Amino acid sequence: SQQGEEDPQALSIQEGENATMNCSYKTSINNLQWYRQNSGRGLVHLILIRSNEREKHSGRLRVTLDTSKKSSSLLITASRAADTASYFCATDGMDSSYKLIFGSGTRLLVRP
Amino acid sequence: ETGVTQTPRHLVMGMTNKKSLKCEQHLGHNAMYWYKQSAKKPLELMFVYSLEERVENNSVPSRFSPECPNSSHLFLHLHTLQPEDSALYLCASSQDWGLRGIGTDTQYFGPGTRLTVL
Repeated sequence: SQQGEEDPQALSIQEGENATMNCSYKTSINNLQWYRQNSGRGLVHLILIRSNEREKHSGRLRVTLDTSKKSSSLLITASRAADTASYFCATDGMDSSYKLIFGSGTRLLVRP
Repeated sequence: ETGVTQTPRHLVMGMTNKKSLKCEQHLGHNAMYWYKQSAKKPLELMFVYSLEERVENNSVPSRFSPECPNSSHLFLHLHTLQPEDSALYLCASSQDWGLRGIGTDTQYFGPGTRLTVL
């Protein structure tokens, strides 16, 4: 069953603007991860945030996690054309299986 | 480069062919994964190997047969595929499959093999 669901499905912004993507999930988790995928390529890990963390930063990326709402957001500040990609959240369940369940992703287009 | 390589990058095969996808990781990881990414569908986990032992088979049809001869190499053997099996097949690795109380590990993906079944 699908665990993470990103919103919006597609986002188009101007270079220099901020981009915010949201992820909602259904069951309790150990951690939540965000990945990026350039068209037709492999995924690249961006950030892992644990269930006991509320916010994490990495360069221009900021991830928040609200376990009470079962949601997370990824903020990219001062976007660049090179940020154009699909962004996926992935969650695991707190059962004994460590499967990562990916959402359908947000396609981000940053216009130069 | 993520340290995970996949060959071939593109593959076109007929429904009666037998082919193999290869994945190699140079990261010293203990877990390796096969994922399938179809158009308009979320990434689907197919198989997981931890310390060369298969720990997860996500209800994958038998026409897909994985093989993990050692912790650095992972193969996906394909035979009598269907056109709906056309997809991007991604290999990934992580330090460990998962740790109790901590959860899943960061996964490092290869560039994928674009498979077309005619």
